[in-house]
Amino acid sequence: ETAVFQTPNYHVTQVGNEVSFNCKQTLGHDTMYWYKQDSKKLLKIMFSYNNKQLIVNETVPRRFSPQSSDKAHLNLRIKSVEPEDSAVYLCASSYLGGNTQYFGPGTRLLVL
Amino acid sequence: GDSVTQTEGLVTLTEGLPVMLNCTYQSTYSPFLFWYVQHLNEAPKLLLKSFTDNKRPEHQGFHATLHKSSSSFHLQKSSAQLSDSALYYCALSRDYGNEKITFGAGTKLTIKP
Repeated sequence: ETAVFQTPNYHVTQVGNEVSFNCKQTLGHDTMYWYKQDSKKLLKIMFSYNNKQLIVNETVPRRFSPQSSDKAHLNLRIKSVEPEDSAVYLCASSYLGGNTQYFGPGTRLLVL
Repeated sequence: GDSVTQTEGLVTLTEGLPVMLNCTYQSTYSPFLFWYVQHLNEAPKLLLKSFTDNKRPEHQGFHATLHKSSSSFHLQKSSAQLSDSALYYCALSRDYGNEKITFGAGTKLTIKP
């Protein structure tokens, strides 16, 4: 099956903890993205990587850091989570030069 | 910067009636426009995207026409189905190959029997 896969589906943690989310795509794309979807369903890009290189870096707090081992994987680490980080984090992928993005099912984060 | 404005909040329609979700945009470029749909507990998926040659994209009965004069890309369907209930996002990118897509706030469409 070719798709975008994310783990975990759901994560509950406490303020100040560190969390890490994984994303893998088997579509053969060379560009991957992280989006944040908040409680009002606003969808905003956070980062974009092309072949392990950061190409889009929106203004996000420094506690967020993307990690890419190869073009098929893009993980997201959040050091010292805060309550406003509670959201759904969506991973997506595409070809560089194409603009159809394919999304994963998301990781729902709840910070208590 | 770029921005996208959609029909606000929640739209509720009866099955069989026409659907129209508004989308207008602001951009200093001549952007490409998209509609993404997200069903409950699923990932957003591309529904439509604008063409460079002014053709009208269509998919699953939905269509949208890019009007550069009015900066609009409204989503339409002649007859709503229960399965159309979902969250719809209008979005833009500045050009092909630009990896940043700006999304509108989303419109939740609910179709009732």
